[in-house]
Amino acid sequence: QLQLQESGPGLVKPSETLSLTCTVSGGSISSSSYYWGWIRQPPGKGLEWIGSIYYSGSTYYNPSLKSRVTISVDTSKNQFSLKLSSVTAADTAVYYCARLPGYCSGGSCYSRLNWFDPWGQGTLVTVSS
Amino acid sequence: DIQMTQSPSSLSASVGDRVTITCQASQDISNYLNWYQQKPGKAPKLLIYDASNLETGVPSRFSGSGSGTDFTFTISSLQPEDIATYYCQQYDNLLSFGGGTKVEIK
Repeated sequence: QLQLQESGPGLVKPSETLSLTCTVSGGSISSSSYYWGWIRQPPGKGLEWIGSIYYSGSTYYNPSLKSRVTISVDTSKNQFSLKLSSVTAADTAVYYCARLPGYCSGGSCYSRLNWFDPWGQGTLVTVSS
Repeated sequence: DIQMTQSPSSLSASVGDRVTITCQASQDISNYLNWYQQKPGKAPKLLIYDASNLETGVPSRFSGSGSGTDFTFTISSLQPEDIATYYCQQYDNLLSFGGGTKVEIK
């Protein structure tokens, strides 16, 4: 059963860079059928997609965050990571990682940015001095 | 960017009631629309993909319909365990979520 686990500092100072890692277990991050993604949720608010990555390193980012976001992958560790620079209090949120499972048709499976399943449990990151 | 507008933002209904949530896209997204359930303190869970396909293991009282710009999510008979916030999400052009609908028991 595929599981994802977020890890990283729970407290980041304003103007610094937030760094999180998602460790994938029970499956390979190098599967050609999957994308991997980051989503965040400020306290009491809705969900916001941050960005997604393929095992080859190909990335897609939310245009509203693109200038500050870098997502990378380490296939040797079965991990992918998020860096968000120049953080402010508005970046305080629960950060989730998740898989995007692609789709299968005619006996073959294809990667696609489609839906998130499964999700990690999430990790709260607070931006404060 | 594609904007997703959910309504209502919250609702209160009795056990056994039929509950309907709508999601409107700012442009045609075909059927590239998914629905999630999020219980307090938990990660979201995929319920419906491609507008109307029920994820494996999800109770049949949940259903979805629609295409183009207008979509509907329905709980046919509300149960106490359905108390949660529900989100729609499009994937026609990148990815984006609706604002959520909080469902409470009256």
